[in-house]
Amino acid sequence: GAVVSQHPSRVICKSGTSVKIECRSLDFQATTMFWYRQFPKKSLMLMATSNEGSKATYEQGVEKDKFLINHASLTLSTLTVTSAHPEDSSFYICSARDRFSSYEQYFGPGTRLTVT
Amino acid sequence: GEDVEQSLFLSVREGDSSVINCTYTDSSSTYLYWYKQEPGAGLQLLTYIFSNMDMKQDQRLTVLLNKKDKHLSLRIADTQTGDSAIYFCAEEAGANNLFFGTGTRLTVIP
Repeated sequence: GAVVSQHPSRVICKSGTSVKIECRSLDFQATTMFWYRQFPKKSLMLMATSNEGSKATYEQGVEKDKFLINHASLTLSTLTVTSAHPEDSSFYICSARDRFSSYEQYFGPGTRLTVT
Repeated sequence: GEDVEQSLFLSVREGDSSVINCTYTDSSSTYLYWYKQEPGAGLQLLTYIFSNMDMKQDQRLTVLLNKKDKHLSLRIADTQTGDSAIYFCAEEAGANNLFFGTGTRLTVIP
């Protein structure tokens, strides 16, 4: 089946620094990738939709200058949390849609970000 | 925006059936999904149903869709301890976006 990887799986960073999370589709091409944030005991909230070769579309309330998304190729999207603060600590999950699939998103295993 | 609701917790005994319920608001959803999330892991697609279907069965999983009431359910037959996880329903509401419910934590008691 289709596999999506995320790197790193866990990261701890200090306040004020930036951290980059990678999302890769390993065996398929993804024209669209999605970034979600999961809060403890809460649902996943869609942060942004990234399309290969174009600017990401951010959901209302998500700061695009703080959460930089780049989708430079059909298999890689990155999320950079800039000037991280403790409240950015969360579980970030990406998903990717196979360019030939009409419905299914394949999810990565998630990245646990802790900002100290 | 879209609102997808689930009860937060469900406990069942091993071997019994589990029924996880979900309500959604967007009547134009084309697909509705059930995902499973195990501790510390990402989401795994369990099954999905197209909006013009009433029921879909896949081995131990049965999905029922009442489009009039905007109600979706997932039944797991012969629930096993390995089924303990958080189950999310999600609706696809335009522009390929998924909107997730809060998740139901299923605990299977041996």
